[in-house]
Amino acid sequence: AQKITQTQPGMFVQEKEAVTLDCTYDTSDPSYGLFWYKQPSSGEMIFLIYQGSYDQQNATEGRYSLNFQKARKSANLVISASQLGDSAMYFCAMREGDGGSEKLVFGKGMKLTVNP
Amino acid sequence: EAGVAQSPRYKIIEKRQSVAFWCNPISGHATLYWYQQILGQGPKLLIQFQNNGVVDDSQLPKDRFSAERLKGVDSTLKIQPAKLEDSAVYLCASSLRISAKNIQYFGAGTRLSVL
Repeated sequence: AQKITQTQPGMFVQEKEAVTLDCTYDTSDPSYGLFWYKQPSSGEMIFLIYQGSYDQQNATEGRYSLNFQKARKSANLVISASQLGDSAMYFCAMREGDGGSEKLVFGKGMKLTVNP
Repeated sequence: EAGVAQSPRYKIIEKRQSVAFWCNPISGHATLYWYQQILGQGPKLLIQFQNNGVVDDSQLPKDRFSAERLKGVDSTLKIQPAKLEDSAVYLCASSLRISAKNIQYFGAGTRLSVL
């Protein structure tokens, strides 16, 4: 079974509008972390936001917020006031456990295009 | 603060040739990762180092891939011999494990084309 599922292959949004990028995950580990990364055409993966499984509140980082619904195993990224520079691939990732391997398991990503 | 440095940015080789990639992590980051990102997919971990020791290499094709981090700082990833299916972007990341977050910071990657 896939650990991270991103079902939207691509989305279009108008500049200055908000957009939600979907991510569902699958784990039986009670301790895990969820991450969103942005990958522009230059190729670098840029960290956006983190949510821990025990965090009581949804994470926020500037224009980025994470809609964490633990029971539904979803961790959707919300980008408010989209900008042209937000056009990129977006990846949801999960890290399971507290120690040992810190590997991130990534979804397939989705392409966001912001139109002027 | 300088980010994760990788070189070269692009490499084109023929199958059965060998190739090496270099990564210099963010200063002070003890943990270093190599990921392989095939076109249209998310990155997949190949190997994780903690200082100069290997923590996880379960997904590294050891018959052709090797990696080292001799002094616990920079690292090289080698493929010998390369196959067509090795065409991908090879991403290096590093982290400073001071909290549960343990954010991984990535370099720009090396894009490998095997012809």
